[in-house]
Amino acid sequence: GAVVSQHPSWVICKSGTSVKIECRSLDFQATTMFWYRQFPKQSLMLMATSNEGSKATYEQGVEKDKFLINHASLTLSTLTVTSAHPEDSSFYICSARQLKAGTGRYNQPQHFGDGTRLSIL
Amino acid sequence: AQSVTQPDIHITVSEGASLELRCNYSYGATPYLFWYVQSPGQGLQLLLKYFSGDTLVQGIKGFEAEFKRSQSSFNLRKPSVHWSDAAEYFCAPPDYKLSFGAGTTVTVRA
Repeated sequence: GAVVSQHPSWVICKSGTSVKIECRSLDFQATTMFWYRQFPKQSLMLMATSNEGSKATYEQGVEKDKFLINHASLTLSTLTVTSAHPEDSSFYICSARQLKAGTGRYNQPQHFGDGTRLSIL
Repeated sequence: AQSVTQPDIHITVSEGASLELRCNYSYGATPYLFWYVQSPGQGLQLLLKYFSGDTLVQGIKGFEAEFKRSQSSFNLRKPSVHWSDAAEYFCAPPDYKLSFGAGTTVTVRA
């Protein structure tokens, strides 16, 4: 259980185009999903927190207009990299936290997708 | 502020040997702690979690971790490493506002 599917796994596109990445919780409802960016040989950097039905919360230094996040349902969040440039090339990972009744929000681990390798030419 | 640190950036171990990865935390109260593993080019997989109770926690893939309050540690162990255990390992608190630690890269030599 607790499977998160991330699509696509790899995308190559030209500079200036927009790229959408989907993150789906397949067998549970996730009121909160997280988007991370990971550079080679480095740890994950939290970009934003996606809340179902409300605006995403972005971390300091992350451009809201550059990285559009939409969490339209309890099982789907999308990250759109707008007008992508080579410096946006990175590994993007989403995760979802399952909210279980009767448990605290911090009791639950995050379940991660397999990541999306984005390469901008 | 709550935080975790992984003192070892890179560990090399021979296949079949034991492995221990260190994780130190700084919390006022009893922490919730997780260990994740990331294989190259993939997302993170939860190995185990500690909330309270038994200080020795069993996880998947033959891993275990022991919570030691006196040492503020939550070290991950495996008695006999397999080549497939080569990966990046992250100790993490549950608070999503905290960035993950730097992680520990494990290399397994034949």
